[in-house]
Amino acid sequence: SQQGEEDPQALSIQEGENATMNCSYKTSINNLQWYRQNSGRGLVHLILIRSNEREKHSGRLRVTLDTSKKSSSLLITASRAADTASYFCATDPIIQGAQKLVFGQGTRLTINP
Amino acid sequence: ETGVTQSPTHLIKTRGQQVTLRCSSQSGHNTVSWYQQALGQGPQFIFQYYREEENGRGNFPPRFSGLQFPNYSSELNVNALELDDSALYLCASSPGAYNEQFFGPGTRLTVL
Repeated sequence: SQQGEEDPQALSIQEGENATMNCSYKTSINNLQWYRQNSGRGLVHLILIRSNEREKHSGRLRVTLDTSKKSSSLLITASRAADTASYFCATDPIIQGAQKLVFGQGTRLTINP
Repeated sequence: ETGVTQSPTHLIKTRGQQVTLRCSSQSGHNTVSWYQQALGQGPQFIFQYYREEENGRGNFPPRFSGLQFPNYSSELNVNALELDDSALYLCASSPGAYNEQFFGPGTRLTVL
C-alpha cells in the first residue's frame, strides 16, 4: 500500500506560471523527499526535507512540510517546458530496519509553451 | 563521480522464466534498495541491502530475491515470472541506510 497521496493527479499550466503540488501521508516520518520522473525513466532526486524542518528551497523549488497535518507541498516557480514530468513525494517512515521510501502515485505536470 | 547504473535497459521474458537484473551503486554508497514501478503507479519498495545483508523487505513474495556484493553492486532475481511482474525495476543507492537515495535509470521488464 502507498502512504503518500499527491494532489492533483494531473496539472497543466502555461510556461512561466507557478506549479504547486501537494502530498499527504499517514504515519510519522524521518524525512520526506520529492523526486521527478521523465517518461517512465529513472527518478531524479529534487529535495529532502527532514521532519524538524518546515521549509526548504533549492533554486526554483520550494518545499514545505507540516508534520501536524502530515502534508507537504512542492512549488515550482517560473515553470519551463523542461519541467514537464511526473513528480513524486516519498516518505521515510519511522520504522526499524530499512529506509523504506513509500511513494505516492505522483502528479503529472505538463507545461504548455 | 559515477552515478547508479542498471542493466539491462529492457528485457522480455515469458511466464515461468527466471530473470536477473543488475545494479551498480554510486561510488561511496554501501546501501542499495530495489523498487518495482508498475505503469502509472509510484514505485513500491522490494528490499534493501546494507553491507551485503538484507536490511528490510517490502510486501513481495519469496520468489523475489537479491544479493549485494563486496563492491556494493547488487542483483535482483525473480523466479517463476508472472504477467504482473511486468514493470520498471528501479535500483537506488545511498551512502547509508537513512540518507537520500539516488536512482538508476531502471530496467523495463516485460513478461509475455
